[in-house]
Amino acid sequence: EVQLVESGGGLVQPGGSLRLSCSASGFTFSSYAMHWVRQAPGKGLEYVSAISSNGGSTYYADSVKGRFTISRDNSKNTLYLQMSSLRAEDTAVYYCVKPRRYSSSWYFDYWGQGTLVTVSS
Amino acid sequence: AIRITQSPSSLSASTGDRVTITCRASQGISSYLAWYQQKPGKAPKLLIYAASTLQSGVPSRFSGSGSGTDFTLTISCLQSEDFATYYCQQYYSYPPWTFGQGTKVEIK
Repeated sequence: EVQLVESGGGLVQPGGSLRLSCSASGFTFSSYAMHWVRQAPGKGLEYVSAISSNGGSTYYADSVKGRFTISRDNSKNTLYLQMSSLRAEDTAVYYCVKPRRYSSSWYFDYWGQGTLVTVSS
Repeated sequence: AIRITQSPSSLSASTGDRVTITCRASQGISSYLAWYQQKPGKAPKLLIYAASTLQSGVPSRFSGSGSGTDFTLTISCLQSEDFATYYCQQYYSYPPWTFGQGTKVEIK
């Protein structure tokens, strides 16, 4: 059974930093790119970041580029999101997401339970 | 980035009703569209991929259709457990993967 368990969320002051982790099990973690998607309170889903299966390629939404860093440790089956220079608008539940291949593309088949990040003074 | 316009943003319906939610992509995305259901305080759950393929374990009252730019999610006979927010997502052109704004299905 696929499991994605996020941790590391909490309350942080504006300008502060936080590192999220996502522990994966039930599939061959090192074979999959992985993703982070966030959801501000009462709002919709916003795509944040992706990392290739070997960590060699990354993508960031414009809203977090230069402030967030995605990484992974395939030996530990763990995905990370290092967040710095945090702003109030980064307040959200952050989901770790596993993709599944369809034809020549990928959609999202498993989501973690999410971890809440609150940026406030 | 491909924009997805989802409508309506909310709707009220009764148990047993037929419900339809639509998504329109800003350009053609073939059948590269997924639908997710999200209940309060929970993570999104995959319902449908490839526009019309039901994820394993999803009840057959859910169906999806469409291709190109226009897509539909239909719940044929609304059950109490279906009251939730629904999102569509395109995976034709990425990054970024993009989502519709969501449709909240509420009890009338």
